[in-house]
Amino acid sequence: DADVTQTPRNRITKTGKRIMLECSQTKGHDRMYWYRQDPGLGLRLIYYSFDVKDINKGEISDGYSVSRQAQAKFSLSLESAIPNQTALYFCATSEVTGGIGELFFGEGSRLTVL
Amino acid sequence: AQSVTQLDSQVPVFEEAPVELRCNYSSSVSVYLFWYVQYPNQGLQLLLKYLSGSTLVKGINGFEAEFNKSQTSFHLRKPSVHISDTAEYFCAVSDGAAGNKLTFGGGTRVLVKP
Repeated sequence: DADVTQTPRNRITKTGKRIMLECSQTKGHDRMYWYRQDPGLGLRLIYYSFDVKDINKGEISDGYSVSRQAQAKFSLSLESAIPNQTALYFCATSEVTGGIGELFFGEGSRLTVL
Repeated sequence: AQSVTQLDSQVPVFEEAPVELRCNYSSSVSVYLFWYVQYPNQGLQLLLKYLSGSTLVKGINGFEAEFNKSQTSFHLRKPSVHISDTAEYFCAVSDGAAGNKLTFGGGTRVLVKP
């Protein structure tokens, strides 16, 4: 089983619908991240969480919200999806100490908003 | 603020030929530098990282990168590529100030031809 699991892997939805992407991890890491990947733009940080009580906005948080339900679970919500939120979304984790910069990624959730 | 520029969006290369992927960054502080690889339909995984010390960094799968502070570059090289190296490669930078928040470049897609 993957250490960082994302569900769903693929989702097609319509404009205005609420969507939740879920992430769970078995690595025991405190830090979790949500990134968005668009062709030619690389990955951009949406939200990150350093522990259950700590949630921070990334560079492109508008239109998104997150919930850290437990150390192992971090979900991303689109309250009212719009077409320009069509993208590949990645959840990632990292350790608090050591391993500077090493993020461990899930396999991605491809979201299409029609 | 930091930024990363990957100068080539696509690099076609023949099997067993060398490849170089170019990465330039800008930052007002000292940085940590990384290369990640994304194989088709997978998440990203760490290839190598530069934190300090020797400017020539060796990573997995025969890749290496050289940190050049004066040119603010961190180019990735492999002397002889295999078909299995077909993937997208991302350069990333962190200032280390706030956990493992990374700024990614736009990615370079490498297509290895037989």
